Amino acid sequence: AAGVIQSPRHLIKEKRETATLKCYPIPRHDTVYWYQQGPGQDPQFLISFYEKMQSDKGSIPDRFSAQQFSDYHSELNMSSLELGDSALYFCASRGRGSYEQYFGPGTRLTVT
Amino acid sequence: DAKTTQPPSMDCAEGRAANLPCNHSTISGNEYVYWYRQIHSQGPQYIIHGLKNNETNEMASLIITEDRKSSTLILPHATLRDTAVYYCIVMGYQLIWGAGTKLIIKP
Repeated sequence: AAGVIQSPRHLIKEKRETATLKCYPIPRHDTVYWYQQGPGQDPQFLISFYEKMQSDKGSIPDRFSAQQFSDYHSELNMSSLELGDSALYFCASRGRGSYEQYFGPGTRLTVT
Repeated sequence: DAKTTQPPSMDCAEGRAANLPCNHSTISGNEYVYWYRQIHSQGPQYIIHGLKNNETNEMASLIITEDRKSSTLILPHATLRDTAVYYCIVMGYQLIWGAGTKLIIKP
């Protein structure tokens, strides 16, 4: 069965650079969630989208923005990167009427 | 703040049932109890969820107390591949993750 796809899987950036992470949800899933997991930390909810509209917002810094496109894929844009942004970034998708979030493999972002 | 409390770590012998407790004393009437697990830096994996009735699927069973203030996840026959961090999450609209329980299955 198709799973959530995230790209790239690994990304190395320098401080003050920008990064774009992409998420392709499971087909026919209309809700996308973004999470950040720092080293040794638990996942922290950043933001979610339902039917291309922002549905909820968590601890997402103002330097970050995200959107969901007409094909339901989502992108997380990160600017003015800081060392503390180094983390695993997970995307999850959920189908209409379903309760489960299905997670992608994550993007490991390293800021040097 | 996380709405759940779990022991930080547990051991279980391979082949035995692993019982993972979770306290969620502030749960409200429309909030579900979810369990996810994360195997070393992989994407979290959904296990099971419930509202007030006990639930069972091919992976695990979920026992929720009558007052809904606590629950137990049961892995009936733990294998070495079940070693992971297990998260108990009370979900209203979004998943708020607590610290989880690191479950180590020993041969």
